[in-house]
Amino acid sequence: QSALTQPPSVSGSPGQSVTISCTGTSSDVGSYNRVSWYQQPPGTAPKLMIYEVSNRPSGVPDRFSGSKSGNTASLTISGLQAEDEADYYCSSYTSSSTPWVFGGGTKLTVL
Amino acid sequence: QLQLQESGPGLVKPSETLSLTCTVSGGSISSSSYYWGWIRQPPGKGLEWIGSIYYSGSTYYNPSLKSRVTISVDTSKNQFSLKLSSVTAADTAVYYCARQDRRSYGHDYWGQGTLVTVSS
Repeated sequence: QSALTQPPSVSGSPGQSVTISCTGTSSDVGSYNRVSWYQQPPGTAPKLMIYEVSNRPSGVPDRFSGSKSGNTASLTISGLQAEDEADYYCSSYTSSSTPWVFGGGTKLTVL
Repeated sequence: QLQLQESGPGLVKPSETLSLTCTVSGGSISSSSYYWGWIRQPPGKGLEWIGSIYYSGSTYYNPSLKSRVTISVDTSKNQFSLKLSSVTAADTAVYYCARQDRRSYGHDYWGQGTLVTVSS
């Protein structure tokens, strides 16, 4: 079982917005702004989409945004496009026995 | 443009040691700004952090794998390596190497991944 909890799946129609949650604890998401989000289309390596909760690397569209409230981080994708269909993973620094943990992943389907 | 490339056997027998190398090109592994890590993904499942290394040789391991994992770095070759001992079928996965920013902890560059199957 992953240390960070994500919904198994979310879906939305083109042009809509979707939000993926990532729930941790006060030992990880709740205490540190070291939350990252990754996009993984089928058969490819993960790609960093968000770091430090809400920062976008160069080249990532501003349709992708991140936020955090308490022990839950969120990734919001606005103006959904077919190319956004992928698995999404969150990751956080943690003060527990392992310094970095991933969420279980969320499959985004664009209807 | 930084590139990472995993290499190693695609098939390992149970109880043997899995060995992979990640070759970094387009940048120096000796940069003080990054860790270099290994992450794996069993077929159809999520990502699991295995461990990371700093160019000086400092290592960080997932406690669930720590007794079986060794990560090392060869700065002269711009490579870092993974050894996982006493493998079982549960270790069958795509293994990725990745660069991790020391400040943000984001993994910003990844290799394409290599499938390692544990089977006799």
